[in-house]
Amino acid sequence: DGGITQSPKYLFRKEGQNVTLSCEQNLNHDAMYWYRQDPGQGLRLIYYSQIVNDFQKGDIAEGYSVSREKKESFPLTVTSAQKNPTAFYLCASSQQMNTEAFFGQGTRLTVV
Amino acid sequence: KQEVTQIPAALSVPEGENLVLNCSFTDSAIYNLQWFRQDPGKGLTSLLLIQSSQREQTSGRLNASLDKSSGRSTLYIAASQPGDSATYLCAVEGAGYSTLTFGKGTMLLVSP
Repeated sequence: DGGITQSPKYLFRKEGQNVTLSCEQNLNHDAMYWYRQDPGQGLRLIYYSQIVNDFQKGDIAEGYSVSREKKESFPLTVTSAQKNPTAFYLCASSQQMNTEAFFGQGTRLTVV
Repeated sequence: KQEVTQIPAALSVPEGENLVLNCSFTDSAIYNLQWFRQDPGKGLTSLLLIQSSQREQTSGRLNASLDKSSGRSTLYIAASQPGDSATYLCAVEGAGYSTLTFGKGTMLLVSP
């Protein structure tokens, strides 16, 4: 089945730790995105990548980092510098910019 | 900066009713508008994509319209069913933004 796979589904992090969220797609899409969703707010863009080895900051990139070494993979690292990391994280991809976007099932990160 | 507003924030209807969800955006220079569905704790499912040159798109019981000049879109759901209960999100992709800007969604409950 073609699609976007996010793992893990649930993730718990101790304060001061870095954690990495996985996002893999087999749709052969060029563009990939990371969004954060908080209750009562719309999705907010963290980072996006239009092509391998290139990525751009979104609206709330502080405390996060990404890499795009392979077309199919776009991992997100939540660093200890992110002051309020508890949220639902969504990864998406599209064939290119300005085409239909498809989303994964999300990772819920909780700081304990 | 593009802003997307969805009205109402929540809607409760009896099964079988036709209903309309509204989405408005502040910058009419968009490439496309996309409607998504989100079930609790899940990722987003793409419902309809309307390109800026189009006026409407239909899929089954769903019909989405776009009036770019007035900055508005509507999602019409015919003969609603309990399985339609979910949060519906509107997102626009515009020139100069490169990525989707989301509204906060409309939470729909269809009761049997």
